[in-house]
Amino acid sequence: DQQVKQNSPSLSVQEGRISILNCDYTNSMFDYFLWYKKYPAEGPTFLISISSIKDKNEDGRFTVFLNKSAKHLSLHIVPSQPGDSAVYFCAASDSGTYKYIFGTGTRLKVLA
Amino acid sequence: EAQVTQNPRYLITVTGKKLTVTCSQNMNHEYMSWYRQDPGLGLRQIYYSMNVEVTDKGDVPEGYKVSRKEKRNFPLILESPSPNQTSLYFCASSIDGGRYEQYFGPGTRLTVT
Repeated sequence: DQQVKQNSPSLSVQEGRISILNCDYTNSMFDYFLWYKKYPAEGPTFLISISSIKDKNEDGRFTVFLNKSAKHLSLHIVPSQPGDSAVYFCAASDSGTYKYIFGTGTRLKVLA
Repeated sequence: EAQVTQNPRYLITVTGKKLTVTCSQNMNHEYMSWYRQDPGLGLRQIYYSMNVEVTDKGDVPEGYKVSRKEKRNFPLILESPSPNQTSLYFCASSIDGGRYEQYFGPGTRLTVT
């Protein structure tokens, strides 16, 4: 059973527009959420995170929103740039178990 | 340079031949972990280690072993590899587990025939 789901395998966005990547989770014990970006032939790199006690965290062009009641988080990229084209993974952890659960990823393509 | 290194980067082997994928980090991190990435399944955690001599199973530990004898090293051992272990493997480390971002290695592409 997939505890963290990214239901959109791919997304295409025009350069300069907003990219919105979505992630849903089922385990209410998750208390920390992270987004990673992955380019081909490289390991994932950390992008942004959010604790369950917050509903928004912003870092430059990247903002993560958390809706705990809906068990949903989203990553907003504004404005989108061609260099943002990559696979994005959301991840969740229950800090009491030290485990991380990743979603299946969304491939973002930013069109110039 | 702060980094996580993995070796080998590419490996083709045959069923049943024991192999070890090494992982090393130079950031003095307490937490280390192994993942496998498969199409349509994302990243799945195999094993993790909270500190030296402390390891625990992730979501897909079957067929794998790990050890953490030193803080910087966390090798992944496949005692008897099978074709369903053909995958892309990533090692990662972080300051601590649960609430910190992980730093990932470049990946090891393993093919078991």
